[in-house]
Parts: sequence; C-alpha cells; structure tokens
Amino acid sequence: SAVISQKPSRDICQRGTSLTIQCQVDSQVTMMFWYRQQPGQSLTLIATANQGSEATYESGFVIDKFPISRPNLTFSTLTVSNMSPEDSSIYLCSVGVGSMNTEAFFGQGTRLTVV
Amino acid sequence: EDKVVQSPLSLVVHEGDTVTLNCSYEVTNFRSLLWYKQEKKAPTFLFMLTSSGIEKKSGRLSSILDKKELFSILNITATQTGDSAVYLCAVESGYSTLTFGKGTMLLVSP
Repeated sequence: SAVISQKPSRDICQRGTSLTIQCQVDSQVTMMFWYRQQPGQSLTLIATANQGSEATYESGFVIDKFPISRPNLTFSTLTVSNMSPEDSSIYLCSVGVGSMNTEAFFGQGTRLTVV
Repeated sequence: EDKVVQSPLSLVVHEGDTVTLNCSYEVTNFRSLLWYKQEKKAPTFLFMLTSSGIEKKSGRLSSILDKKELFSILNITATQTGDSAVYLCAVESGYSTLTFGKGTMLLVSP
C-alpha cells in the first residue's frame, strides 16, 4: 500500500483566485492521478501526472485551468485557477501501486468551496 | 467510451441484513475491476478483481467477477451501521486509468 498526504483538507476561496493542492506519497510511484468529485457525483479523472513529462488531461479539462506539477516521484500539485463556484468539489490525488499500477490509493481529499 | 453502471443507486437495510451491490461495465481493454468504500472524502480500497469466478473475501465482505457477462457483485453479510457508506466500483483499462460508477449509497439502520 501507499500512504498519501494531501493538503489542504479543505478551503473556502473567493471566485477569481487560485488554489494549489499538494499530494505527497511515502514511496516513489510512477503515475499519479488527480480526480474531481462534484457534489452527488462519482469521481472524474482530471489528468495523469507523470514525472518528467507534461500531464495528460482528460476530455473537458485543460492545462490553463488545472496546471499540474510533478517535480519528482513522490510529489505532485494541482492548481485550480481562476476559480468559479462551479469548481466547488472534492479534489483527490491517487497513486497506482503494485506490478500493474492497479491498486489505486487515494489521498484524504481537498474539499473546495468557491464563494 | 468506457462505462461503469452500478445498481441500486441507494439502499436502506436493517442491521444484520445481507446486501448485494451490482456493477456492470463496458470497456475496450479490461485490466481489472476495483471496489471502494467512500465514507467521507477519500475512497478506501476494498478489492481488486482480475479473474472470473474467483471470490475475494475480507471479513463480512466478498466480491466476485464475471468477465463473460461483464459484471461484478459486492456482498456484505450481517451488515452493521458502520457499513453505511457509498460503495464505488471502478474499472481499469488502457493506461492504468480508472472509470468510476456513480456508486451505491448504503444506509444501515440500527
């Protein structure tokens, strides 16, 4: 298993501002993932963050809105830029471990409220 | 497009009941199916299934996969109030990305 520390755990932000969420893993992992869970919805993948390369974004998500950094194999950040109330969600980072990266473990999540 | 459908969407049972949660999927390059329990924010990993017909068991929880019919079930026996949560099914395909179902919200009343 992997222990993932995500912060902040929650924040209330003004519209138009940006928030950076950090994710620290206790072991080196190849792939890290960022998800969003809007109220009453399931998890939606925002992007895959690989160390040493640009993040790969899913349809509907763009780098200008959700810039991601992956400076090393244990750390990643997701920034939610120019926030609007529609960005109010839980944001989760996840890592895949095991021989096939299939056992995905999650950080504690960041509950973001944009007012 | 990969698709994961869970049923029922919500369920209310009494303590001691047995429940069965369903997950069906359509994926182009299936690798594994995973079950999670989500109580507050972060999902907690329960099971990973890759082979048909092999039951995974952990205490009162068990799960099995049918790759021919493209579904999985999660069973919880002798339910307790602490089992109240959203149970998420996810399918891994392609480059280790997961597609999640909408979840089943289980409420166990005392």
